[in-house]
Amino acid sequence: DTEVTQTPKHLVMGMTNKKSLKCEQHMGHRAMYWYKQKAKKPPELMFVYSYEKLSINESVPSRFSPECPNSSLLNLHLHALQPEDSALYLCASSRDGTGEDTGELFFGEGSRLTVL
Amino acid sequence: GQQLNQSPQSMFIQEGEDVSMNCTSSSIFNTWLWYKQDPGEGPVLLIALYKAGELTSNGRLTAQFGITRKDSFLNISASIPSDVGIYFCAGPNSNSGYALNFGKGTSLLVTP
Repeated sequence: DTEVTQTPKHLVMGMTNKKSLKCEQHMGHRAMYWYKQKAKKPPELMFVYSYEKLSINESVPSRFSPECPNSSLLNLHLHALQPEDSALYLCASSRDGTGEDTGELFFGEGSRLTVL
Repeated sequence: GQQLNQSPQSMFIQEGEDVSMNCTSSSIFNTWLWYKQDPGEGPVLLIALYKAGELTSNGRLTAQFGITRKDSFLNISASIPSDVGIYFCAGPNSNSGYALNFGKGTSLLVTP
């Protein structure tokens, strides 16, 4: 079983809704990530948090808003999404996201988002 | 950028056959990782490689880190139906907080 837990597993929302995806890890990791994955494609990086600070934003539209309340939690707030934002959203964690990190990312099972 | 070129794109084999897939890059990677993803699930780490030339096994899986640190292969011996899934190679991108860049994946189908 994965040690990175994501909720909800499935989410259907309209374009005017506001919703959030949640992620939790208890491995003591200090780096957390959001990836977006479309069908039959590899995961694409969205955001990186290292020591609770946003370190990387891969030019993600502002309708996606990440939040890292503490080292164990990562949220992704969603507002005014488009149908093309429908995808599997993956959370991951690693030791600390620095050059000393092993590079091993541990992924959750993902949240399947459908935007109507 | 640190692009990873993975091949083949898909494989359709019979149970019991051996499988080989590989990844190349124009950039040097200090770490090379292989993941497997089942439908509707997140990627699961299979093997991590840290040293050029390193050969590592995990059960029926064997992976090697190329001596130039620009390539890697993954072999699966005596495939079984539960090997079905998408296999990704990945390496840390120093331009993106050492987050992983992924290859495009190899889709493996195994028939009984």
